[in-house]
Amino acid sequence: DGGITQSPKYLFRKEGQNVTLSCEQNLNHDAMYWYRQDPGQGLRLIYYSQIVNDFQKGDIAEGYSVSREKKESFPLTVTSAQKNPTAFYLCASSIHRGSSNQPQHFGDGTRLSIL
Amino acid sequence: GEDVEQSLFLSVREGDSSVINCTYTDSSSTYLYWYKQEPGAGLQLLTYIFSNMDMKQDQRLTVLLNKKDKHLSLRIADTQTGDSAIYFCAETPGGSYIPTFGRGTSLIVHP
Repeated sequence: DGGITQSPKYLFRKEGQNVTLSCEQNLNHDAMYWYRQDPGQGLRLIYYSQIVNDFQKGDIAEGYSVSREKKESFPLTVTSAQKNPTAFYLCASSIHRGSSNQPQHFGDGTRLSIL
Repeated sequence: GEDVEQSLFLSVREGDSSVINCTYTDSSSTYLYWYKQEPGAGLQLLTYIFSNMDMKQDQRLTVLLNKKDKHLSLRIADTQTGDSAIYFCAETPGGSYIPTFGRGTSLIVHP
């Protein structure tokens, strides 16, 4: 079955530590996205990537970094510069073909907490 | 800028119809989406409507679009306890493939 796999499901970060969240898709989608979800806040876009080796900042990129070395993979690193990293992180992907209908497909999320 | 507004909570009795409302500001929106999020999970696409349509029906789900008022609604007929979740409205502005999401409406279904 095609889909998006996020791992781990739960992650704990110590003070001053960088952590990396994994996102893999086998849908052959071009575009991939990272969102942060806080209670009552909806989804906020962190980073997105339209093609391999290219990515753009979203609305809340500070304290985060990404890479897109392969079409299937878009890992997110939460750096020590992100002072309030506790949240639910969602990865998504979509086809990127002009203005056609391009709904996003989501993984099941990673919940990050501070130790 | 783009903005999508939804009420935060809706409580209904099992078997009744639920209507979740959404307003948006971008008049160039092309596609409008409804997603469902169950606790601890990602978002699941429920249905979508293209901006040149007024209504779309899919089993128990009916989407109504009033483009003049920039108002979108999702009606769930015969609401069940399994429908309890957060429902997100999203719109894709013209010329963009990145959607703008509302904050989500928590639907609570009680017996």
